[in-house]
Amino acid sequence: DGGITQSPKYLFRKEGQNVTLSCEQNLNHDAMYWYRQDPGQGLRLIYYSQIVNDFQKGDIAEGYSVSREKKESFPLTVTSAQKNPTAFYLCASSIKRGTYNEQFFGPGTRLTVL
Amino acid sequence: GESVGLHLPTLSVQEGDNSIINCAYSNSASDYFIWYKQESGKGPQFIIDIRSNMDKRQGQRVTVLLNKTVKHLSLQIAATQPGDSAVYFCAERGDDKIIFGKGTRLHILP
Repeated sequence: DGGITQSPKYLFRKEGQNVTLSCEQNLNHDAMYWYRQDPGQGLRLIYYSQIVNDFQKGDIAEGYSVSREKKESFPLTVTSAQKNPTAFYLCASSIKRGTYNEQFFGPGTRLTVL
Repeated sequence: GESVGLHLPTLSVQEGDNSIINCAYSNSASDYFIWYKQESGKGPQFIIDIRSNMDKRQGQRVTVLLNKTVKHLSLQIAATQPGDSAVYFCAERGDDKIIFGKGTRLHILP
């Protein structure tokens, strides 16, 4: 089965801790994205990557970091600098950014800061 | 600024009736639009898309209409079923960015 996997599904973190969310895709897509979803709001772009070893900040990158060492993987680290990290995090991929191709989403990770 | 929004946060529809979910966008340069369905606790699923050079596109039980004059997008679901219960949101691509709307919750009445 081709698709995007995110792990874990639920994640709990104590204040002051960094935590890394996993995102893997076997769709051979070049572009990958991280979004944050809060209740009553649309998806907000955190970071995106168009190619291996390259990534760009989205609209709300502060307090987050990413890496793209492999085409299949785009992990997101939520650092202690993120003031309000409790949210539902969605990873997505597309064939290429800026084309008429939809983004495919993973199942999401719900992060709760205790 | 750019915005993608929905006219109604919640829509209740009788099972078997048709559903119409609306979306307004503000960037006249947007050239590609997508509808997603998101069930509770899951990631969004692609439903249908439409390019700005089209007015209408049909899929299985779904139709998307695009009115560029008033910058309005709608999703029509025929013969709504219990499995259609979800949050639906539109997305627009303009100026090399994709902006997602806040979503409309579709509630199916038995």
